[in-house]
Amino acid sequence: SQKIEQNSEALNIQEGKTATLTCNYTNYSPAYLQWYRQDPGRGPVFLLLIRENEKEKRKERLKVTFDTTLKQSLFHITASQPADSATYLCAPSFSGNTGKLIFGQGTTLQVKP
Amino acid sequence: DADVTQTPRNRITKTGKRIMLECSQTKGHDRMYWYRQDPGLGLRLIYYSFDVKDINKGEISDGYSVSRQAQAKFSLSLESAIPNQTALYFCATSEAGDPTDTQYFGPGTRLTVL
Repeated sequence: SQKIEQNSEALNIQEGKTATLTCNYTNYSPAYLQWYRQDPGRGPVFLLLIRENEKEKRKERLKVTFDTTLKQSLFHITASQPADSATYLCAPSFSGNTGKLIFGQGTTLQVKP
Repeated sequence: DADVTQTPRNRITKTGKRIMLECSQTKGHDRMYWYRQDPGLGLRLIYYSFDVKDINKGEISDGYSVSRQAQAKFSLSLESAIPNQTALYFCATSEAGDPTDTQYFGPGTRLTVL
C-alpha cells in the first residue's frame, strides 16, 4: 500500500543553523511533491512544490530536493529562526489532476534562540 | 479577509447530538474537502466534492455526511456525535484546473464530544 513517512520525533535545532526534514514514500510515483507548514491549532499552509523532473527548488531560505530513485524529498530551512518553529507536512501528488492529496504525519521543528 | 473560513472555531457537544460544521470560501475554487486531524494520525480525508453536484467519500466517511449548498459552501454533519469524533476538523479547497492539486485550508474547528 502507499505510504508516506516523516520523522515523528521533533527536530530541535539552534537558531541560525540549517534544519533538514525528510519525507520518504513507498509504492508511489508522484509527479509532484508539496510541502506545507502547520502552526498549532491552525490549518496547513502551502509552502513549496517540486516536480518530478526537478532536482531542487528554492524559495528564500527554503530549499526542497526530490530524488525519485530514493523516493525521498528533503526540506531545508537555512539560517533558521524561532519563527520557523512549526510542523511541516509533505504531500506527494500525481499528474492527471486527481484532486486528492495524501499527507504525511508531519515533523515538528523547534528552533531555539 | 480569509479566503477559507470555518464556523464554529470551537465546539463542545454531548454524545448523540447532531452537529454541523460549515465552510465557506471566496477563492472561486470548484473543489472542496473535509479532513480530520488527530494527534499521531495526521490529516485524513472525510469527504470531498469536485463541484456542486459531486460528492465523494474519503478515507473515513462513516458517521459523517456532507452537503454542498453552493460552489462556495460545503458543510459537514455529524448525525449523532460520539467521543471518538473529538478532533480538529479542516476544510480545504483546490482549483479544478490545477494539475498539482495544491490545497488551501481553513483555520479549523476544534470539536470535543463528551
